[in-house]
Amino acid sequence: DGGITQSPKYLFRKEGQNVTLSCEQNLNHDAMYWYRQDPGQGLRLIYYSQIVNDFQKGDIAEGYSVSREKKESFPLTVTSAQKNPTAFYLCASSEPGQGILMNTEAFFGQGTRLTVV
Amino acid sequence: KQEVTQIPAALSVPEGENLVLNCSFTDSAIYNLQWFRQDPGKGLTSLLLIQSSQREQTSGRLNASLDKSSGRSTLYIAASQPGDSATYLCAVYRGGATNKLIFGTGTLLAVQP
Repeated sequence: DGGITQSPKYLFRKEGQNVTLSCEQNLNHDAMYWYRQDPGQGLRLIYYSQIVNDFQKGDIAEGYSVSREKKESFPLTVTSAQKNPTAFYLCASSEPGQGILMNTEAFFGQGTRLTVV
Repeated sequence: KQEVTQIPAALSVPEGENLVLNCSFTDSAIYNLQWFRQDPGKGLTSLLLIQSSQREQTSGRLNASLDKSSGRSTLYIAASQPGDSATYLCAVYRGGATNKLIFGTGTLLAVQP
């Protein structure tokens, strides 16, 4: 089946530890995104990538890092510099916008819930 | 800066009612608008995508409209069912140099049997 796979579903991090969240897609999409979701708040963009070996910071990039070495993979590392990492993390992919008539429908994975212990 | 607002924040209706969810955005320079559904603890499921040149899209009991000039979109759900209970999110896509989806905070819908 075509889609986006996030793993693990649940992740626990100790204070001062770096953890990496996996996101893999087989939709052949160029663009990939990481969002963070907190209770009572909308989704906030952490990082996005329009093409392999390129990525840009979103609205809340501090304390996070990403890489885009392969088209199908966009892992997110939550570093020890992120002081409040407990949240639900969502990965998405789409075709990058190339014009008004371009179909840029975004598809999401099932999320990873990260908890600091 | 683009801001997306969804009203109401929560809605409870009896089964069988027709209902309307609202989404407004401040910058009309968008490429498309997408409606999603999110079940508790789950990811987002795409419901409808409306491109900027379109006025509405339909899928089954769902109909979404888009009025760029007024910065509004509505999601109409006909003959609601308990299985429709979820959070509904709208997002606008700007594209170009600022290639990202900007989300509203969602409407939590409860359909009572």
